[in-house]
Amino acid sequence: QKEVEQNSGPLSVPEGAIASLNCTYSDRGSQSFFWYRQYSGKSPELIMFIYSNGDKEDGRFTAQLNKASQYVSLLIRDSQPSDSATYLCAGGEKLVFGTGTRLLVSP
Amino acid sequence: DAGVTQSPTHLIKTRGQQVTLRCSPKSGHDTVSWYQQALGQGPQFIFQYYEEEERQRGNFPDRFSGHQFPNYSSELNVNALLLGDSALYLCASSPGQGALGSPLHFGNGTRLTVT
Repeated sequence: QKEVEQNSGPLSVPEGAIASLNCTYSDRGSQSFFWYRQYSGKSPELIMFIYSNGDKEDGRFTAQLNKASQYVSLLIRDSQPSDSATYLCAGGEKLVFGTGTRLLVSP
Repeated sequence: DAGVTQSPTHLIKTRGQQVTLRCSPKSGHDTVSWYQQALGQGPQFIFQYYEEEERQRGNFPDRFSGHQFPNYSSELNVNALLLGDSALYLCASSPGQGALGSPLHFGNGTRLTVT
């Protein structure tokens, strides 16, 4: 069983819509979770991290963590074509990454 | 403020050869982690260095080894290269004093191709 799981997508949303990206994890001891954005051929770029249950907002991005359900999500409001990328969820002591969800935002 | 820098950007090696990849962490960061990312996959944790010692290791064979220098820069060495070692190798640094679970800042990676 993979420690961090994501739907590979692609997730397609129109410009201006809310994109919802989801991630589940198996290690109940994981305390910190991260969302990275990776453009094709580029390295991962940190978007947000969250340590506590609940929501954390930063601009157009909101991370949500539910430790009881072992669930992490990332909401992107007012999606832009420039948001089109692969979004990687990561968590746990050794920062285990999921395989990523590809997001496509159409103009 | 320079970010994480890696060299070389691309490398082509033959099976059985050895390779050394280099990384300089972001200014102010003291911890370096190495990841392997195969095409279409998420990065896989290789190991983490802090205070010139390997602190944590992922599920990689002993052919993968590393080193951290007093200036916090790091090297990843891979011996007896296999075709399956072809991947993007990412270096990431953090200011976490070796603490796990700190936000990582990635370099642009080294694309290794083994033929």
